[in-house]
Amino acid sequence: EDKVVQSPLSLVVHEGDTVTLNCSYEVTNFRSLLWYKQEKKAPTFLFMLTSSGIEKKSGRLSSILDKKELFSILNITATQTGDSAVYLCAVPFSGNTPLVFGKGTRLSVIA
Amino acid sequence: DADVTQTPRNRITKTGKRIMLECSQTKGHDRMYWYRQDPGLGLRLIYYSFDVKDINKGEISDGYSVSRQAQAKFSLSLESAIPNQTALYFCATSDLKNSAGAKNIQYFGAGTRLSVL
Repeated sequence: EDKVVQSPLSLVVHEGDTVTLNCSYEVTNFRSLLWYKQEKKAPTFLFMLTSSGIEKKSGRLSSILDKKELFSILNITATQTGDSAVYLCAVPFSGNTPLVFGKGTRLSVIA
Repeated sequence: DADVTQTPRNRITKTGKRIMLECSQTKGHDRMYWYRQDPGLGLRLIYYSFDVKDINKGEISDGYSVSRQAQAKFSLSLESAIPNQTALYFCATSDLKNSAGAKNIQYFGAGTRLSVL
């Protein structure tokens, strides 16, 4: 069964809109949650979240974690066409295991 | 990430052929991973290796094998390729020496697009 669930699976917005991407997870021994951006090829690392309520921010992108409710959100403000990509969420399921990825959210930003 | 190099970048082969995909890294990381990506299915783990003497199966290892020839090299083989192995394959690395959760951050190569006819 899916342990990392992202929603929505796809999203189309206009430039300048603000978007919120969601990631929920099930894990018994939570360590961290990671966000990646995948444009044409390799996923590139965006954020790692380990603590609830502490926002990570990079330019127009920000992310926050809720460990009680087991989810994270990724916000993108004032979207640009260059934000068009697949955004992936991933969680390691115990301290020493590899990441398990969600299916991703495909974001399309149109001018 | 140029520090993780995959070869070839594209490959077309026929059913039944043996194929090897190679991955090398200059990041000095001890952990290496192979994933495949299919439309709508996200990234799925095939095999991973935490050091040269350590090989572990992932979620979808059937039909694949790996070899960790050195800390910097991790190759993926398809002994007898079949059409449903057509996919985008990624190699990734991570660094055990990073602190706490940072050791889970993976860095990806540019991918190999494999088509099995």
